Amino acid sequence: RKEVEQDPGPFNVPEGATVAFNCTYSNSASQSFFWYRQDCRKEPKLLMSVYSSGNEDGRFTAQLNRASQYISLLIRDSKLSDSATYLCVVALNQAGTALIFGKGTTLSVSS
Amino acid sequence: NAGVTQTPKFRVLKTGQSMTLLCAQDMNHEYMYWYRQDPGMGLRLIHYSVGEGTTAKGEVPDGYNVSRLKKQNFLLGLESAAPSQTSVYFCASSRQGIEQYFGPGTRLTVT
Repeated sequence: RKEVEQDPGPFNVPEGATVAFNCTYSNSASQSFFWYRQDCRKEPKLLMSVYSSGNEDGRFTAQLNRASQYISLLIRDSKLSDSATYLCVVALNQAGTALIFGKGTTLSVSS
Repeated sequence: NAGVTQTPKFRVLKTGQSMTLLCAQDMNHEYMYWYRQDPGMGLRLIHYSVGEGTTAKGEVPDGYNVSRLKKQNFLLGLESAAPSQTSVYFCASSRQGIEQYFGPGTRLTVT
């Protein structure tokens, strides 16, 4: 099942580094796109939605390229607290009944 | 607000036993979902509900039943547990469908 693919990592970076995660999706009819964050043994939490025009939330920037079916997440000035697994999520409808979750990319930030 | 809560947090069952997982949300959300998360796989939707009294099958519904008798509660039942149902179960809720809020999860082991 490879509808949403992510590099599993782990990405090991020092504090202050910039790191980028990529995600590709296979269904061209996908409607909405998100990044979720999941800490070890915890529930996923919505980090940000991803828009075609790109969007930024503090140190986090998300980009969507519909033509290439590609989503990215850039984290600037990494903090220890950014260590987590980042899930790329694609919605096939607006009811949330067809969310396709990637397996996640693991980030470890060290001091 | 407690958000989304799940009961129990952990459970060990023997093959063939039954149990019910309870999900409760206090955000007055219409949509509720049950997912399972297995190592090496993304979250997969088991069943969902778009309102009180309604339920529908997700991607992996076999072996599970659900009920939504009250808007705030969504129950997941395993009638005859199998080792393949060993997993972490997450409940989620959403007002409009897309932005989902997850509960803390239930770790179930079936021996």
